[in-house]
Amino acid sequence: RKEVEQDPGPFNVPEGATVAFNCTYSNSASQSFFWYRQDCRKEPKLLMSVYSSGNEDGRFTAQLNRASQYISLLIRDSKLSDSATYLCVVNEGAQGGSEKLVFGKGTKLTVNP
Amino acid sequence: DGGITQSPKYLFRKEGQNVTLSCEQNLNHDAMYWYRQDPGQGLRLIYYSQIVNDFQKGDIAEGYSVSREKKESFPLTVTSAQKNPTAFYLCASSSPLYGYTFGSGTRLTVV
Repeated sequence: RKEVEQDPGPFNVPEGATVAFNCTYSNSASQSFFWYRQDCRKEPKLLMSVYSSGNEDGRFTAQLNRASQYISLLIRDSKLSDSATYLCVVNEGAQGGSEKLVFGKGTKLTVNP
Repeated sequence: DGGITQSPKYLFRKEGQNVTLSCEQNLNHDAMYWYRQDPGQGLRLIYYSQIVNDFQKGDIAEGYSVSREKKESFPLTVTSAQKNPTAFYLCASSSPLYGYTFGSGTRLTVV
């Protein structure tokens, strides 16, 4: 089983749509969770951290279910500027003194006018 | 402004040639990392360093080497032993308080 698995996508949605991305992780000892956004040929940038209680930032809502080892990202009222690849990232904790981030392959989203 | 600078943005390597990718940060972060990204794939860890003069192999270290002589600098050398070096290389640094920051990447192509 792969460490971090995401919906393979791609997702093509119209402006204003609601879209949800799912992610599962295999290491039950994982400590923290993130969604990153990566634009074409650019570096990943932190979109939001994911907390057990769920958290919201404007149109974006992230959820974590530790029992099911499942993370989700919901985008409401999609904008053209939301078009990007969304990476699910899991921090498996310290290894030799350094944190180990494990990245999913990403799910590509295209929002169409 | 604080950040991470990677250079060059694009790099072409001939078969059998070693090339070095630069990564410099002025964020005063202790930890630095090198990742490789292939098309349609997630980032894979090559090497990481927690402190000056110390570094550890990541998941795909074969064919790569690094040094950490200064806190600010963590260069990556892609050696001739790396048989498939064409990829997008990302450098990152991290702090416990602010998490990860990535450089803008170097796109390496074998010609």
